[in-house]
Amino acid sequence: DQQVKQNSPSLSVQEGRISILNCDYTNSMFDYFLWYKKYPAEGPTFLISISSIKDKNEDGRFTVFLNKSAKHLSLHIVPSQPGDSAVYFCAASEGNTDKLIFGTGTRLQVFP
Amino acid sequence: ETGVTQSPTHLIKTRGQQVTLRCSSQSGHNTVSWYQQALGQGPQFIFQYYREEENGRGNFPPRFSGLQFPNYSSELNVNALELDDSALYLCASSFFGGRTEAFFGQGTRLTVV
Repeated sequence: DQQVKQNSPSLSVQEGRISILNCDYTNSMFDYFLWYKKYPAEGPTFLISISSIKDKNEDGRFTVFLNKSAKHLSLHIVPSQPGDSAVYFCAASEGNTDKLIFGTGTRLQVFP
Repeated sequence: ETGVTQSPTHLIKTRGQQVTLRCSSQSGHNTVSWYQQALGQGPQFIFQYYREEENGRGNFPPRFSGLQFPNYSSELNVNALELDDSALYLCASSFFGGRTEAFFGQGTRLTVV
C-alpha cells in the first residue's frame, strides 16, 4: 500500500524554465511534508518542507504547494538549472514521529 | 558541525551471513532512523532509535535489529541475510519531535550474493 505516490518517474525540462514535480498521498493523518533531492552515490538532501497548516512555502527558487483537500503537493523550481538534475523524493510524516514515508521518486533532467 | 557519516560505503556478503552497518549522527541530534532503499524505489523506514531504545518500526522482520549508543551513534544489524536484502541502507539523524528535516548519510550499499 503506497501511501505516498509520485506518478511521474521522470521529467525533462529546459534550463531557465519551470520544473513542476507532483506528489499525492492517501493518509489524511499526514501533517508534515518534505522534499528531498538525491544525487547518485549520495544520501538524500533536504530541500524544503511544509506543515499542513500552510498551503505554500517558498525558499529561493523552490516553492512547495499543498492542497489538503486533494491530498496533493507539488514542488516548483524556477528557474531550473542543470545542477538541479537529480532524483526528487516527496516524503510525509504524521504527529510527532520523525518516521518518513517516501514516494518512489521523480528523476529530473534539466538540459541546456 | 559534523554531518551524518556511515560506514562502510560498500559491502558484499553471502546469503545467510550477518552484517553490521554503522552511523554517526549529526551534532545536536538525538534520534537516528534507518531506511532501506531498493533499486528504483524510495527509502523504506526500518526503525528509529531515541534515548537508546527503539521508537517505532516499519514492516521489517526481527532479523533487522539496531542499537543506539550514548553518543547517539547507531548500528543496524541484519541476521540471516537474504538476496532481497541487497539495497542501499540510509541512516538519518534528527531532533526528536522537532519537526525539522532529517539529515541523511551517504548510505551503505549492501550486496548479498
